[in-house]
Amino acid sequence: KQEVTQIPAALSVPEGENLVLNCSFTDSAIYNLQWFRQDPGKGLTSLLLIQSSQREQTSGRLNASLDKSSGRSTLYIAASQPGDSATYLCAGSSNTGKLIFGQGTTLQVKP
Amino acid sequence: ETGVTQTPRHLVMGMTNKKSWKCEQHLGHNAMYWYKQSAKKPLELMFVYNFKEQTENNSVPSRFSPECPNSSHLFLHLHTLQPEDSALYLCASSQGYERGTDTQYFGPGTRLTVL
Repeated sequence: KQEVTQIPAALSVPEGENLVLNCSFTDSAIYNLQWFRQDPGKGLTSLLLIQSSQREQTSGRLNASLDKSSGRSTLYIAASQPGDSATYLCAGSSNTGKLIFGQGTTLQVKP
Repeated sequence: ETGVTQTPRHLVMGMTNKKSWKCEQHLGHNAMYWYKQSAKKPLELMFVYNFKEQTENNSVPSRFSPECPNSSHLFLHLHTLQPEDSALYLCASSQGYERGTDTQYFGPGTRLTVL
């Protein structure tokens, strides 16, 4: 059974800092790995999707990596801004598309 | 947010009430999902509909009854609620389900509080 863990649960950093969010999963048969952002009281916004044949994806200041052999994914945020404050969720999926979510990392970027 | 909409956004109910809420997607997708997000727990998949047919029921109590009349609309009907049902219920849609590569697009959620 796939389990997804995110560390840390919460993170507070000053504006401008580069930071890394961690995600680990137990089943290396993962098909793809997605990172989502959730703002308070709102739904999820997909940030990056890494397919099993890929090792990383980039979008703007965001870079996500996937290492299936070690069961880990990281989300790197460069030059953080107050607008990046949100909860970041990672989710692994099987080839049927069923997503298993971690509990999230709540990020606060202080001006 | 306009791609997937959910109504109402907030519900407060007693344990003996019955209620339904709705999700609508305007993206031309074929798969729709219900998720439950409780405090201090990971987001949990409840139901999946692919081309209007239910393909996943993730051991959800029978007091929750989904309905998918067409590929654009998804309902969740509830009765005899329990306090542990208080949560944010998120709807999502994707182009397909059994493809593994399709991004899911989420609505803003319906927050249920059971008194």
